[in-house]
Amino acid sequence: GNSVTQMEGPVTLSEEAFLTINCTYTATGYPSLFWYVQYPGEGLQLLLKATKADDKGSNKGFEATYRKETTSFHLEKGSVQVSDSAVYFCALSSGGSNYKLTFGKGTLLTVNP
Amino acid sequence: GAGVSQTPSNKVTEKGKYVELRCDPISGHTALYWYRQSLGQGPEFLIYFQGTGAADDSGLPNDRFFAVRPEGSVSTLKIQRTERGDSAVYLCASSLGQGATEAFFGQGTRLTVV
Repeated sequence: GNSVTQMEGPVTLSEEAFLTINCTYTATGYPSLFWYVQYPGEGLQLLLKATKADDKGSNKGFEATYRKETTSFHLEKGSVQVSDSAVYFCALSSGGSNYKLTFGKGTLLTVNP
Repeated sequence: GAGVSQTPSNKVTEKGKYVELRCDPISGHTALYWYRQSLGQGPEFLIYFQGTGAADDSGLPNDRFFAVRPEGSVSTLKIQRTERGDSAVYLCASSLGQGATEAFFGQGTRLTVV
């Protein structure tokens, strides 16, 4: 079955530091890959996505590249801000209907000023 | 409304009781999903509706759980004979359709069974 493994948290960084949150997956077929973010007190929001191998998703300075050879979709940002503090979830959907999301456990990021 | 609305935001119930959790999706979204998020875990899929029908209910843990969407808009997740292990945040999401379309999530209902 499908599964997502992401870096254990929590992660604490200083403002302007470089961020990487690792994510690897197991899936049948050709999954679509997602990063969702949950800010304090808010619902899950889609941060970025990639639907095929070598695609790069990007949004708000965050990037992730769909690597089929390593089954990975690592999240990166060159310079984090305090406002990036949140829980980040890696997820995939696969199969013909492509609707069911399988999530990782989430990584709590805290950025200090 | 502007987003997916879930009510109540918090629900405390006694073991053995029946509860209903409500989800109002974004207007015009035909697809609706329920997920359950236990503490320290990512959301887990429960059920998917396309219109009024449950297209996939493979994630429902047992027959105490049931969900309906009678008019293809609002959905209700129903849990009978609640158990302490049912305590979790129940998330609802909606999207324009199936496929790799963005799913918009509500803020969830935190259910606590005491």
